[in-house]
Amino acid sequence: LAKTTQPISMDSYEGQEVNITCSHNNIATNDYITWYQQFPSQGPRFIIQGYKTKVTNEVASLFIPADRKSSTLSLPRVSLSDTAVYYCLVGPTGTGGFKTIFGAGTRLFVKA
Amino acid sequence: DAGVIQSPRHEVTEMGQEVTLRCKPISGHNSLFWYRQTMMRGLELLIYFNNNVPIDDSGMPEDRFSAKMPNASFSTLKIQPSEPRDSAVYFCASSRPGFSGNTIYFGEGSWLTVV
Repeated sequence: LAKTTQPISMDSYEGQEVNITCSHNNIATNDYITWYQQFPSQGPRFIIQGYKTKVTNEVASLFIPADRKSSTLSLPRVSLSDTAVYYCLVGPTGTGGFKTIFGAGTRLFVKA
Repeated sequence: DAGVIQSPRHEVTEMGQEVTLRCKPISGHNSLFWYRQTMMRGLELLIYFNNNVPIDDSGMPEDRFSAKMPNASFSTLKIQPSEPRDSAVYFCASSRPGFSGNTIYFGEGSWLTVV
């Protein structure tokens, strides 16, 4: 499984765009990049997934360069409610489950 | 659709007692995961099942912990005997066949306090 590295914590202010970068130098050809969000007292929840280039949904955008050795989660105009831990995971497709390991994640704190 | 359902949501028990945590995965999902989360150790994968079969239990901390999945709609995580250091939030998660990458769905967790 590809190892990921992301900042331990980030601070931002309401209304700003937040970019969280994750490094995954040994990503494999069949690996996808997935980001999860965890609020206090809740389990992590899926927010976005991509394989290459750019993916956008109603919550965030995910930018993946051509070499796929890193990815950037972009949260537009954050609010106080975006304060959470954000996890970057890299893993393969498959018809069954596989060992899904969460790292320490990035603690985002949004200030008023 | 119902999400992953865990019970109990909260449990306080005395050291030495047996604790059983229960999980009902999302219907149609064939993989099930048990995680434990603490401030010190973060989110740890304890064990995961595919098609009701345990695939990797290397994260189970010691023999006091055991997990079963007797059918596709039910799993248990048991701690016997419990110790104060087992106090944590225990999450169950599931994923469906043919999914892309790491898309798994978590329950709301079981908050365990061992005194």
